[in-house]
Amino acid sequence: KAGVTQTPRYLIKTRGQQVTLSCSPISGHRSVSWYQQTPGQGLQFLFEYFSETQRNKGNFPGRFSGRQFSNSRSEMNVSTLELGDSALYLCASSLSTPPGEQYFGPGTRLTVT
Amino acid sequence: SQKIEQNSEALNIQEGKTATLTCNYTNYSPAYLQWYRQDPGRGPVFLLLIRENEKEKRKERLKVTFDTTLKQSLFHITASQPADSATYLCALDESNTDKLIFGTGTRLQVFP
Repeated sequence: KAGVTQTPRYLIKTRGQQVTLSCSPISGHRSVSWYQQTPGQGLQFLFEYFSETQRNKGNFPGRFSGRQFSNSRSEMNVSTLELGDSALYLCASSLSTPPGEQYFGPGTRLTVT
Repeated sequence: SQKIEQNSEALNIQEGKTATLTCNYTNYSPAYLQWYRQDPGRGPVFLLLIRENEKEKRKERLKVTFDTTLKQSLFHITASQPADSATYLCALDESNTDKLIFGTGTRLQVFP
């Protein structure tokens, strides 16, 4: 089975721009979660989607949003980028919710200049 | 406040020895706890999940214990190898929200 894929792998944006990241879960997995990872804060939960519905949301500003499509693929969007948004964004998929073991993608490295 | 604490300092051990990593938590009542491995530049890889009613779980050279009274999990790698060098993350579910909360991880370095 193919693993979780994320596109793009690397991205450089300037402050004020917006960005959309994409995640394709493992086939058959219906739960997709997004995390932000930075050296200072570690891995922080952004949100979880299950069957196209946002099931949970972390403590991030409204500039961070996401959605899930009927084929379980998910996107997250960050608007009005700030320097502090530079991070590794990880997507993880799971068979069910609440998610037990999660399967992570390789991440998208976002750099905001 | 709620906290998950893992040793922030790297753990250096000699090949063949047993590595023991700790995960302590405060003000959580998790139904389960998980351990992941992360290599530089890659996403975490799931290793083991242990439920609150389980004291111990094993998988090959890995062993996890879960003490809900002490609010602590221990992760052991026996007969450690240089290939085990990585950062190890513990994660638990926030019981009233089902969110998965991660510790900051402990870097393990196994030298020959």
